[in-house]
Amino acid sequence: QSALTQPASVSGSPGQSITISCTGTSSDVGGYNYVSWYQQHPGKAPKFMIFDVSKRPSGVSDRFSGAKSGNTASLTISGLQAEDEADYYCISYTRSNTWVFGGGTKLTVL
Amino acid sequence: EVLLVESGGGLVQPGGSLRLSCAASGFTFSDFWMSWVRQAPGKGLEWVANIKEDGSEKSYVDSVKGRFTISRDDAKNSLYLQMNSLRAEDTAVYYCARRWAVAGLDYWGQGTLVAVSS
Repeated sequence: QSALTQPASVSGSPGQSITISCTGTSSDVGGYNYVSWYQQHPGKAPKFMIFDVSKRPSGVSDRFSGAKSGNTASLTISGLQAEDEADYYCISYTRSNTWVFGGGTKLTVL
Repeated sequence: EVLLVESGGGLVQPGGSLRLSCAASGFTFSDFWMSWVRQAPGKGLEWVANIKEDGSEKSYVDSVKGRFTISRDDAKNSLYLQMNSLRAEDTAVYYCARRWAVAGLDYWGQGTLVAVSS
């Protein structure tokens, strides 16, 4: 159950787009379309942003989108806003009927 | 409004036990899988355990297998995590969350801090 690989940090300016990657293996990310993404502000509980790779829960801005290619899933945030500055985590279902999170990515809005 | 409220955290010595509770309201608890997720201080999220709606299926991260037990009481709308043989590395904020789809967690509690130290 090794953690999925995410970049430690990404940054962008307001209005720009950024993409956060989440790399696993064929036993998790690559084997199933069951990846979700979470946003976490300091001291707060995570917020549900994307599920089943690319579906947005009700109430989540369409500036957030998800995709997957092979063993790598990605979260794209377009039209960056100051309030998007947070930590982002991916999670995937695995072949062992367990879940595994990514290590997390700190997004800085310059 | 969906609410999840954890309780039961605190300071415990290595090798000790603790039972976390999560009180759910605002939805039909018995219709949903539930999960525990933890976050060590300054670290990332770690999935800990899942339990099916009727409690018939449970799964755990390898590091807690044999030490932690997830359970639920649908009559009390409550989720539990019995933690035994606690180690320093179990120190974390523990969140309960409602499962959505196969690998989604749509509602989270505010978390309860477990500190394992002598």
